[in-house]
Amino acid sequence: SQQGEEDPQALSIQEGENATMNCSYKTSINNLQWYRQNSGRGLVHLILIRSNEREKHSGRLRVTLDTSKKSSSLLITASRAADTASYFCATDSHNQGGKLIFGQGTELSVKP
Amino acid sequence: KAGVTQTPRYLIKTRGQQVTLSCSPISGHRSVSWYQQTPGQGLQFLFEYFSETQRNKGNFPGRFSGRQFSNSRSEMNVSTLELGDSALYLCASAFISGQGYEQYFGPGTRLTVT
Repeated sequence: SQQGEEDPQALSIQEGENATMNCSYKTSINNLQWYRQNSGRGLVHLILIRSNEREKHSGRLRVTLDTSKKSSSLLITASRAADTASYFCATDSHNQGGKLIFGQGTELSVKP
Repeated sequence: KAGVTQTPRYLIKTRGQQVTLSCSPISGHRSVSWYQQTPGQGLQFLFEYFSETQRNKGNFPGRFSGRQFSNSRSEMNVSTLELGDSALYLCASAFISGQGYEQYFGPGTRLTVT
């Protein structure tokens, strides 16, 4: 079973708008990672945020982590049609090695 | 650096057969994990190998097995295939630092069982 949930399940926006996706998880974590997946292909690593970090930026991506609420958000600014994909958060825990627990994903559609 | 590679990319098998999938990690990465992705169950962890040893295992039946070679390449085997094994199988290799794993995924192998 999966660690947590992502919200919303689907999001449709216009090019140029910002997209925000949220992820909640259930147990204490070591790191939280965000991935993008295009149409049933492999997962592309976007960003990793450690449990002792609160915010991280990478290009148009901004990730926040609130360990007290066991939640994270991914913000994509100035979205483009090429950002259309499914986005997943994944957590790993202490003493669990490389085992990632994934959320259900948010399906983002960016319309030109 | 070259990314994670998986072969084959697509596979069609019939029930009862067995299948072997291959994964070559990013150079220098010693951890390889396998995941199954289906529309119903999402992404689920199968197992992880590190230095040729299985370090972690998910909740899958014994029909699912794997191994890792000395060059860190990994194979996953599924015996006695069932229709429900149809899925995208993803392999990930990890860079391990003092603060944990950063995992990079391959393109996946799409397995269809008929």
